[in-house]
Amino acid sequence: AQTVTQSQPEMSVQEAETVTLSCTYDTSENNYYLFWYKQPPSRQMILVIRQEAYKQQNATENRFSVNFQKAAKSFSLKISDSQLGDTAMYFCALSTTDSWGKLQFGAGTQVVVTP
Amino acid sequence: GAVVSQHPSRVICKSGTSVKIECRSLDFQATTMFWYRQFPKKSLMLMATSNEGSKATYEQGVEKDKFLINHASLTLSTLTVTSAHPEDSSFYICSAQTWQNTDTQYFGPGTRLTVL
Repeated sequence: AQTVTQSQPEMSVQEAETVTLSCTYDTSENNYYLFWYKQPPSRQMILVIRQEAYKQQNATENRFSVNFQKAAKSFSLKISDSQLGDTAMYFCALSTTDSWGKLQFGAGTQVVVTP
Repeated sequence: GAVVSQHPSRVICKSGTSVKIECRSLDFQATTMFWYRQFPKKSLMLMATSNEGSKATYEQGVEKDKFLINHASLTLSTLTVTSAHPEDSSFYICSAQTWQNTDTQYFGPGTRLTVL
């Protein structure tokens, strides 16, 4: 069975500051993908960043970067230069290649960016 | 590109009636579509996986006779909530993927169902 754990229900950060969201996971598979999705108040799920497990290099997308520690099964998301539009629920998700792309989501972390 | 739509965006129905929710991939062919359910302030829970032209695969604990899924074409999947009850009230989200890119899902905007 796969599990994804997000232990921070809510994080608050000031504009222009940096915030890091934690995520740990467990799977017995060797080939898998990890994702961070953003769900703003509109409820539309938006892909923020993804990481292939076989790649050692941490993925980055503009102000978003991950710290992927495969041995520790840790996948944290760093949001730099936070903007008001970053306020949203952030979900960590895992997909293994043997499960046809099914996503296992964590409980989510609510990020609130304050002026 | 890779846009997924859902219709309706919100629906209110009476207890005992059935409600159909459509999920469409607008600019690509979706060999696989997924249906999720999300309770307020909670995470997404996978309900079922549907592949075009075949029966849906339901996750453990999801009643297949209650939540009928049809994936009749490469651009359309439907979820029908039969004999709806207030406890079925929730936010339902679909996602789609192509056979060329099975590691990426494109999400619809969701449908809010309220059963009175």
